[in-house]
Amino acid sequence: GAGVSQSPRYKVAKRGQDVALRCDPISGHVSLFWYQQALGQGPEFLTYFQNEAQLDKSGLPSDRFFAERPEGSVSTLKIQRTQQEDSAVYLCASSLVGQGTANYGYTFGSGTRLTVV
Amino acid sequence: SQKIEQNSEALNIQEGKTATLTCNYTNYSPAYLQWYRQDPGRGPVFLLLIRENEKEKRKERLKVTFDTTLKQSLFHITASQPADSATYLCALYLWSSASKIIFGSGTRLSIRP
Repeated sequence: GAGVSQSPRYKVAKRGQDVALRCDPISGHVSLFWYQQALGQGPEFLTYFQNEAQLDKSGLPSDRFFAERPEGSVSTLKIQRTQQEDSAVYLCASSLVGQGTANYGYTFGSGTRLTVV
Repeated sequence: SQKIEQNSEALNIQEGKTATLTCNYTNYSPAYLQWYRQDPGRGPVFLLLIRENEKEKRKERLKVTFDTTLKQSLFHITASQPADSATYLCALYLWSSASKIIFGSGTRLSIRP
């Protein structure tokens, strides 16, 4: 497709439930990022992939958060045993170029709004 | 501590005027700085990038300045229109971390007719 696609757009989870959020980046984009955005705040970095390799996961808030990109295209962010503080918008972004050479902006999807009740 | 501050959580100006948004940072050494626009319910959209060795960058009605001594970037929208109403985010790309950009909290801009 022409842009970064994320699904679902909205997800309501009961506390303790596991969730999986999907990101389809722009075809051919090497870099993929996950960000978390709380209401009224800027996006906070979670993790970064270059192709299938997860090169930076320093922003993942706990070991309940796990991301993968097994074939270097589609990525999934999984949150286990969701807590209320996990409620946020989860944004995926992709970029054509690789680490250290990104001279362009990132293309973001519209995000998945997760609400944990 | 490291901070990115976008002065003014919200800014309201009259249509046709120039909107000026500020981004200040402390204890970062950015390679370059980006500005994004975000509309409600959507992801950020890239607008402009300015490198550390550039003073000014223009694109249509947009102008960005970057002062690494003051650790500040200014983002200007000239001849503002109601359609420019959105949240504007500045973001730093850091030499120390080649894999991510760090965002400020944004300024919500409203242009009244």
